Amino acid sequence: DAKTTQPPSMDCAEGRAANLPCNHSTISGNEYVYWYRQIHSQGPQYIIHGLKNNETNEMASLIITEDRKSSTLILPHATLRDTAVYYCIVRVDRDDKIIFGKGTRLHILP
Amino acid sequence: SAVISQKPSRDICQRGTSLTIQCQVDSQVTMMFWYRQQPGQSLTLIATANQGSEATYESGFVIDKFPISRPNLTFSTLTVSNMSPEDSSIYLCSVEDPRGGPDEQYFGPGTRLTVT
Repeated sequence: DAKTTQPPSMDCAEGRAANLPCNHSTISGNEYVYWYRQIHSQGPQYIIHGLKNNETNEMASLIITEDRKSSTLILPHATLRDTAVYYCIVRVDRDDKIIFGKGTRLHILP
Repeated sequence: SAVISQKPSRDICQRGTSLTIQCQVDSQVTMMFWYRQQPGQSLTLIATANQGSEATYESGFVIDKFPISRPNLTFSTLTVSNMSPEDSSIYLCSVEDPRGGPDEQYFGPGTRLTVT
């Protein structure tokens, strides 16, 4: 079973920051938090991952709480192309299989 | 990054028949994964396929129903055997980051299977 819980859906206005929460209260000390997204009719796409420090790349920022029991993915300036299902996943490393939960369906509103 | 192609992209099959899905990667990778995504659902891992060894199946999936081949480091096939309408899904293959880093897993575009 997935070790994360996410809201089933969220709306965000185009141009605004989209903040997607994820709870992973049973995360182990050696598990990373990964985020993937799946745009309609495509395979999932990697976004970002982190262990305990906040991370930022060209796509998004990842904020992990100090106790590591939750995290937030931030898309700083959402566009219509960011409409997708976003999956929060915990895994140990690249050899650890990815177990997908139900994800959050993000709707970007024009 | 890794570029993954799958064949066929979609197919409509009759119940009782079998379909073999091909997954081709443009880089050599050790681990390949097969997922199923039923309509409106999330992805479910079917099995992990390492070159040179038998595939490892997840709970609820068996080799007789989903035989997998992994003849080399860039190719794998998944066969859906004795199909029923419940097998109608998108089947995706995935590979680990060929650069060896911990960052990413790449996914193919998927094969959309409809069983009538």
